Formats: sequence, structure tokens, C-alpha cells
Amino acid sequence: QKEVEQNSGPLSVPEGAIASLNCTYSDRVSQSFFWYRQYSGKSPELIMSIYSNGDKEDGRFTAQLNKASQYVSLLIRDSQPSDSATYLCAVNKGYSSASKIIFGSGTRLSIRP
Amino acid sequence: GAGVSQSPRYKVAKRGQDVALRCDPISGHVSLFWYQQALGQGPEFLTYFQNEAQLDKSGLPSDRFFAERPEGSVSTLKIQRTQQEDSAVYLCASSLGSQGDTEAFFGQGTRLTVV
Repeated sequence: QKEVEQNSGPLSVPEGAIASLNCTYSDRVSQSFFWYRQYSGKSPELIMSIYSNGDKEDGRFTAQLNKASQYVSLLIRDSQPSDSATYLCAVNKGYSSASKIIFGSGTRLSIRP
Repeated sequence: GAGVSQSPRYKVAKRGQDVALRCDPISGHVSLFWYQQALGQGPEFLTYFQNEAQLDKSGLPSDRFFAERPEGSVSTLKIQRTQQEDSAVYLCASSLGSQGDTEAFFGQGTRLTVV
């Protein structure tokens, strides 16, 4: 079992709809959680971070965290063609005074006009 | 600098050659991470530095891989006797803090091709 699991997709969503991306993680001591967006041939770009249970909203993006279920999700409202990319879920298994950020394999999202 | 800078952007190495990849983190960032990303996969953790201390090198795939950050700023990832399976994009990321709530920012990566 991988430490961070994501459905590889592709996930196809019509323009203007809500895209829902999911992620599960295996290590209960994980402290913080991130979503990165990666366009083809580019490096990952941080779009959301979340540290406590519940929802966190930033513009069209909402991150949701449920530590009891070891589940993180990202909702993208009013999806745009420019949202087409691979979305990487990342978990910081920080311990003591160090950090270790582990990534899932990513979900490819395609927004169809 | 304004962001994480990596050089070279592209490197072609003959099998058996040694390579050195450089990462210049955001000024003042304590933490530095190296990742290896194969095509179609997520970044795989290689190693982590807190200032000049290499606190975690559990992801380095073999003893041919070596990383250093001698003055707590610039870091170098060295790969000795490169093999074809080393072909990948090598990503460096840095973050301001050292605790679990740190947010990491990536450089543009170095695409290594071993021929």
C-alpha cells in the first residue's frame, strides 16, 4: 500500500461544473496536507494547504480534511479549461523537528469546454 | 532569490558518467527537499535537509546518490556512475520552517537523460 493514494484518472469534468479530487493516506501521525497542481512539463505549484479537520476555502478551491478517515479532498468550483492539469496530494509526515513530505501519484484532470 | 532555482535545466549524461545537480533555495528557507519524478508519476522523496544537516536520506535509491548542503543554503545532488534508470526529473523544494506545518515550494527541476 502506498503511503498516499490517489485515483490516477483521467477525470473529465465539463466546464463550469465542480471537480472533486480525493486522496487517502496511511500514516495517522501525518500533520499537514497539501494540494499541488502540475501542468505538463512544469514543476508542482502549491495551491492549498490544510492542517485541521474540516473545510478550508480559497477562491474556487476548497480543501477538506478528515483525519479520522485519513482522507483529504479538493473541490474546484466553476471549473475552467485552465484547471486541466495533474493534481498531486501531499502529506507531511513531520516528526520531531524534521519534515518529510510524501506525494501521491497524482490525478489527471481534464476540463472539457 | 525570488524562488527556488535549479541548474542545469537539462542534462544529458552518458551511462557511467557522474553528474551534479544544483539547487539554490529561497533565501532564509531552513528546509530543503530533493525529489525524483518519473514520467507520469508523483515526486518520490529522496532526502531532506534542515539547514546543513541531512536529517533524512531514506529515499536515496542507492549509494551512487549523494546530497550535501554544506553551508545550509545551496544544495547539490550528485549521482555517480549514472544508469539509464536514473533518467528522470529531479526536483528541489524549500520551505521556511522545519516543523510539520511547513509549505514547500519547488524549483523548475532538472531533467536528466542518461544515454
